[in-house]
Amino acid sequence: AQSVTQPDIHITVSEGASLELRCNYSYGATPYLFWYVQSPGQGLQLLLKYFSGDTLVQGIKGFEAEFKRSQSSFNLRKPSVHWSDAAEYFCAVGARKLIFGTGTRLQVFP
Amino acid sequence: EPEVTQTPSHQVTQMGQEVILRCVPISNHLYFYWYRQILGQKVEFLVSFYNNEISEKSEIFDDQFSVERPDGSNFTLKIRSTKLEDSAMYFCASSGPGSNQPQHFGDGTRLSIL
Repeated sequence: AQSVTQPDIHITVSEGASLELRCNYSYGATPYLFWYVQSPGQGLQLLLKYFSGDTLVQGIKGFEAEFKRSQSSFNLRKPSVHWSDAAEYFCAVGARKLIFGTGTRLQVFP
Repeated sequence: EPEVTQTPSHQVTQMGQEVILRCVPISNHLYFYWYRQILGQKVEFLVSFYNNEISEKSEIFDDQFSVERPDGSNFTLKIRSTKLEDSAMYFCASSGPGSNQPQHFGDGTRLSIL
């Protein structure tokens, strides 16, 4: 069955610290992978996407993600977190029908 | 940057009433979608729409749901007889032609059933 797992429900980091949000997927074919961010009361904003090619993809707001087929993972990273990055982050897999993880809520302390 | 717009932002409806949620996708997009997010749960796919017909739907999308593209710009989700469990945030999304185009989401409509 197709699924996405985000094992961390809630992560707290200090401003300026590095960040890694984990995502594991189960998908029959070559996956299309996405990270979306949702600020309170807002919609889902696309951070980055992976379709094929280079396994390290760059996104907006200084985020990057690495696709590792052997680990079925697509972890999101940022070298230095800003207070404005506090939000909920969703990993998703699919093409026309996206399957989302349960999300990771990021809290940033000054 | 073009964006998906949804109206209203919040809809309150009595149980059993019909409700229509409206979306204006990005203008050159060809694929349209509805998702929902029940409070505290994950975002779930409802339906995808292409070339004026449903291309895929989930088991959530039963006979009480319908979608329509009534003109060249709007995409609507109708819930015929609302239930308490339909209370959720409903997101519209659209994507361009080709299988490697990401979906762009609107800000959602919060539907509250009383």
